[in-house]
Amino acid sequence: QSALTQPASVSGSPGQSITISCTGTISDVGGYNYVSWYQQRPGKAPKLMIYDVTNRPSGVSFRFSGSKSGNTASLTISGLQAEDEADYFCSSHTSSSSWVFGGGTKVTVL
Amino acid sequence: QVQLQESGPGLVKPSGTLSLTCTVSGGSVTRGSYYWSWIRQPPGKGLEWIGYIYYSGTTNYNRSLKTRVTISVDTSKNQFSLRLSSVTAADTAVYYCARNYNGFDFWGQGTLVTVSS
Repeated sequence: QSALTQPASVSGSPGQSITISCTGTISDVGGYNYVSWYQQRPGKAPKLMIYDVTNRPSGVSFRFSGSKSGNTASLTISGLQAEDEADYFCSSHTSSSSWVFGGGTKVTVL
Repeated sequence: QVQLQESGPGLVKPSGTLSLTCTVSGGSVTRGSYYWSWIRQPPGKGLEWIGYIYYSGTTNYNRSLKTRVTISVDTSKNQFSLRLSSVTAADTAVYYCARNYNGFDFWGQGTLVTVSS
């Protein structure tokens, strides 16, 4: 199972919106609505931000939203804030009932 | 609030076996609909799913690790465990245990395991 493809880095100024893409295949992202997104700060465990493509867990800011088109899922952060600076990973269920992660995207707030 | 805590040796010799345990508190590993996973992250790199177990004992493993991995559950202790055999330096990573329900919704803090002689 190959890792999902994410851009290595994305940056934006405070208040702007940014979008992180996560590209897979019909055997994972495109075939199931089980895409999730994680925020990871240095030295910390990942934190679930979005599950099942579009759903936000309780306590996660409404500024985080998810979507999917074909084999590509996306995470949008609106009203970018300094505290959003972190690494972000996507994950998807696969046709072999396993899970696969993306390589990660470093978000920088300029 | 569910909490997970990894425990085990932080140093393993090459060709040896890595063994870690995840203790779950604030919830039961026997509750249906939850899968219990191990995930690792080599220093400075991305996340890799290792495998999961259901309380019934059903498991599924990452194909790339399948021949070396065993995940088991001890319902009496509310724990699940990871064994990874024939380790090399490439297995050096922070190892996380996590609950898989709606995504991986609860994680342990992670434990660094170094493979070195």
